[in-house]
Amino acid sequence: EADIYQTPRYLVIGTGKKITLECSQTMGHDKMYWYQQDPGMELHLIHYSYGVNSTEKGDLSSESTVSRIRTEHFPLTLESARPSHTSQYLCASSPGGTGDGYTFGSGTRLTVV
Amino acid sequence: QQQVKQSPQSLIVQKGGIPIINCAYENTAFDYFPWYQQFPGKGPALLIAIRPDVSEKKEGRFTISFNKSAKQFSLHIMDSQPGDSATYFCAARLSSARQLTFGSGTQLTVLP
Repeated sequence: EADIYQTPRYLVIGTGKKITLECSQTMGHDKMYWYQQDPGMELHLIHYSYGVNSTEKGDLSSESTVSRIRTEHFPLTLESARPSHTSQYLCASSPGGTGDGYTFGSGTRLTVV
Repeated sequence: QQQVKQSPQSLIVQKGGIPIINCAYENTAFDYFPWYQQFPGKGPALLIAIRPDVSEKKEGRFTISFNKSAKQFSLHIMDSQPGDSATYFCAARLSSARQLTFGSGTQLTVLP
């Protein structure tokens, strides 16, 4: 079944640790996105990619980095986690063209202590 | 100009009621308006979408009303059920861009 997968679902980690949040999709979508969602609900775009080897920063400044070496894989990395990085991180993908909606993963709830 | 303003922030209705969530935009170059539904612990899921060449679209109990001249669109949920309790996001996409601009979300609670 075509879908988008995020791992881990929950992560509690200490300050200063390096972490990578995984996102994979089986739909062959060219476009992929990372959003940060705080308890206030708003979705903030932090990174996006329109294809392999293409990545851009989003509207919300983030200390994270992303890579897109394969179409299906779009991992997000924090080199040194801080408590301010505590949030929910959502990955999404879309196929391109007009009228295409996004498919979201279930998210990773990150807590940095 | 790329903002999408959503209201209300939260909404409580009784079972069977018709909650209405409103969104307004400024940029007339938006050409695709989806609504997303998000349950706790899950990512948002596409619920229904409309293009500006139609004034209304229905899918089951969910209806989008679109007013192009007022630059507003709204989501109506007919015969609402407790299972509809979720956060709803409107969104809009520029014809020249490839990203969605999301509203700030509405937390809907349907009481049994």
